[in-house]
Amino acid sequence: DTEVTQTPKHLVMGMTNKKSLKCEQHMGHRAMYWYKQKAKKPPELMFVYSYEKLSINESVPSRFSPECPNSSLLNLHLHALQPEDSALYLCASSLGRGLVEDTQYFGPGTRLTVL
Amino acid sequence: AQKVTQAQTEISVVEKEDVTLDCVYETRDTTYYLFWYKQPPSGELVFLIRRNSFDEQNEISGRYSWNFQKSTSSFNFTITASQVVDSAVYFCALKEGSGFQKLVFGTGTRLLVSP
Repeated sequence: DTEVTQTPKHLVMGMTNKKSLKCEQHMGHRAMYWYKQKAKKPPELMFVYSYEKLSINESVPSRFSPECPNSSLLNLHLHALQPEDSALYLCASSLGRGLVEDTQYFGPGTRLTVL
Repeated sequence: AQKVTQAQTEISVVEKEDVTLDCVYETRDTTYYLFWYKQPPSGELVFLIRRNSFDEQNEISGRYSWNFQKSTSSFNFTITASQVVDSAVYFCALKEGSGFQKLVFGTGTRLLVSP
């Protein structure tokens, strides 16, 4: 079973709101990822967690705050976002052994609209 | 520096036609992996195949086949007897080295299969 779940599917928020995106996997994977995807573009990596520790932050603005409470769960806390942050946010997971053949499996994404 | 080029932005075919999606990559590493993902309109990135740099055997899975040629740095994807359900954006991606090197995506090819 290669399933990564994400909630909510859609989210509309104002620029002063605080919201969170949630991602869950039960494949025993130890690496989890957040990507941002704008329309007609490929996904862009935002964060990587390995064994619940943040290992890569691709210079993402602090209004995005990731959290990995346990090996199965990944959150992305959103605060004071801008309209240009509207995008599809994809979560992925992989075995996480740091090997080059590590395959990332993606969730269905959350479509975020910032008004 | 690594790079993935998908020169075909959009391809339109009629059902039952065969179609080939091109992928050309650049890397200085001798060990790397190539991936293909499918992104239907629902948004989820679906993993299709992973191929390592030492295995140039072509692969077939049902109506899908992949042709990896190191001599031309290409990893092309062919769908035989296309179906409407094949309509999606297809991304080719490259991962090199070890550790949490990020996936480098091509810009994607949108495939439209009409009945």
